[in-house]
Amino acid sequence: DQQVKQNSPSLSVQEGRISILNCDYTNSMFDYFLWYKKYPAEGPTFLISISSIKDKNEDGRFTVFLNKSAKHLSLHIVPSQPGDSAVYFCAAYYSVGNEKLTFGTGTRLTIIP
Amino acid sequence: GAVVSQHPSWVICKSGTSVKIECRSLDFQATTMFWYRQFPKQSLMLMATSNEGSKATYEQGVEKDKFLINHASLTLSTLTVTSAHPEDSSFYICSVMLGRNTGELFFGEGSRLTVL
Repeated sequence: DQQVKQNSPSLSVQEGRISILNCDYTNSMFDYFLWYKKYPAEGPTFLISISSIKDKNEDGRFTVFLNKSAKHLSLHIVPSQPGDSAVYFCAAYYSVGNEKLTFGTGTRLTIIP
Repeated sequence: GAVVSQHPSWVICKSGTSVKIECRSLDFQATTMFWYRQFPKQSLMLMATSNEGSKATYEQGVEKDKFLINHASLTLSTLTVTSAHPEDSSFYICSVMLGRNTGELFFGEGSRLTVL
């Protein structure tokens, strides 16, 4: 049972444009959502997170939006830069649970110069 | 600076041998560390939760005798792949949780294991 889903395995965006990565979840008990970025042969790095009590969190070029009623979140990157090309993982966390992050399957973002 | 360091970053071994991967928490005492595995073009799969001073908690489907985890101190956890076979070839990554309230994990650099 995939509790966190990223339905787009890949996405290509022109440099300078907006990149939108989507993530859906099924467990309404999740209270934190995180995005990680991963380059090949490296460990994932934390990008941005959002609490379930918020609907938006912004950090520089990165903004995460949360729609609890739809159980959907998205990561917006604007403007997109070549260095943003990587695999992005969405993750969900239940803070009163078993301390485990549940990851999505990832979306490979390619920024076209 | 880095919070978690893994060693080795890559290793090639012959089938049947055992390989040990170290995960060190730098300037951070980690009672719990998490070991993940990533297959090519696939998601991060949690293998086990390493608990300092006690047995690791393995996820369903992960062979305990195959993947030995030892967490002898607050700064070191080791994963030993015993009697490695080509299907064990993968990218292994350890992590520590910086805050239980938010679930933020800090990952190591990862270790690429290739079994010939």
